[in-house]
Amino acid sequence: EVQLLESGGGLEQPGATLRLSCAASGFTFSNFAMTWVRQAPGKGLEWVSTISGSGDPTYYADSVKGRFTISRDNSKNTLYLQMNSLRAEDTALYYCAKETGAYGYSAFDFWGQGTLVTVSS
Amino acid sequence: EIVMTQSPATLSVSPGERATLSCRASQSVTTNLAWYQQKPGQAPRLLIYGASTRATGIPATFSGSGSGTEFTLTISSLQSEDFAVYYCQQYNNWPPYTFGQGTKLEIK
Repeated sequence: EVQLLESGGGLEQPGATLRLSCAASGFTFSNFAMTWVRQAPGKGLEWVSTISGSGDPTYYADSVKGRFTISRDNSKNTLYLQMNSLRAEDTALYYCAKETGAYGYSAFDFWGQGTLVTVSS
Repeated sequence: EIVMTQSPATLSVSPGERATLSCRASQSVTTNLAWYQQKPGQAPRLLIYGASTRATGIPATFSGSGSGTEFTLTISSLQSEDFAVYYCQQYNNWPPYTFGQGTKLEIK
């Protein structure tokens, strides 16, 4: 059974740093691209970042480029999102999602339950 | 960036009836389109990928159609558990992956 468990969210001030993690199980982690999607309170889904199965290449939404870094440790079956220079508009529930392919260009077939990031002074 | 537009924003349908949800892309995405269902307090769930292929475990009451820029999700006979928000997403031209704004399917 595929499971994705996010952690690391919390309440942070603008400008702060946070690192999210997503522990994966139930599939061969290195064979699949992984993605972060966020959802602001009461809003729709917004793609944040994607990393290929090998860890390179990586892709970012313009709204987070230069501030967020996606990475993965295939030996630990874990996906990360390093979030720097947090802004109020980064407030959202952050989901990690498994893609159906190794290099993107695919749908997201499994999602975690999300971890909430709140940025407020 | 490809803009995905869903209509209507809210759809009111009676249980047992058919629901038809639409999704339009600002340029062709061929058949690289997915549909997701999201219930309150839950993560999205993949329903359809490749515009018309049901994901594992999705009942046959859900069907997807379309190609290019026009897509439809049809739920043939609504059950109580089908009332939720539905999102379409293109994965043809990225980054960025883009989602529609969602259609809320509510009980009439």
